[in-house]
Amino acid sequence: DIQMTQSPSTLSASVGDRVTITCRASQSISSWLAWYQQKPGKAPKLLIYKASSLESGVPSRFSGSGSGTEFTLTISSLQPDDSATYYCQLYNSYPWTFGQGTKVEIK
Amino acid sequence: QVQLQESGPGLVKPSGTLSLTCAVSGDSISSGHWWSWVRQPPGKGLEWIGEIYHSGGTNYNPSLKSRVAISVDKSENQFSLKLSSVTAADTAVYFCARMSMVGGTFDSWGQGTLVTVSS
Repeated sequence: DIQMTQSPSTLSASVGDRVTITCRASQSISSWLAWYQQKPGKAPKLLIYKASSLESGVPSRFSGSGSGTEFTLTISSLQPDDSATYYCQLYNSYPWTFGQGTKVEIK
Repeated sequence: QVQLQESGPGLVKPSGTLSLTCAVSGDSISSGHWWSWVRQPPGKGLEWIGEIYHSGGTNYNPSLKSRVAISVDKSENQFSLKLSSVTAADTAVYFCARMSMVGGTFDSWGQGTLVTVSS
């Protein structure tokens, strides 16, 4: 199976900051990567698919980039509502696999 | 707008079988999407369990394949999960989810249901 490694596991930033989360795959997955946001006690929410395509209704401050083995999720200007855990997910082959998650806290 | 709702026992005894159902509304289970189960142990990350198509075709996570069965009931517009020989390690919030039409991503989710394995 392909392994996904997310970093950092936790980050703390201020409102308005630019935040970047990285996801690395153990082998190339082309652009078959998605990003999700999960708030406590809630289901995950799809933010980005195919590495850089924004899901309908998701604020434009979220963006994704990368291909092959290295991917990033960027929040251009962190908002209080962005406090959550973010997961990457590969879908180039079975089994669909999630990264370990990055918890984003607001200072 | 599609809605998914999980239901089933919140407590299962060790070595028993966990059984959950996901009722789908606002979309037909025969609409062309795949339908999945994902779980999340308390305080931990997400693990995909498996998926089913309305025809009955399935794909399972190899880590759970020997213990998992997912089925579909088109007449009730729902799909179900059975996980056998459970242990405390199977304690988790179980989510049902709809796969996007282009495949591979989860575009709609149920609220999740906590299943505890304990005697």
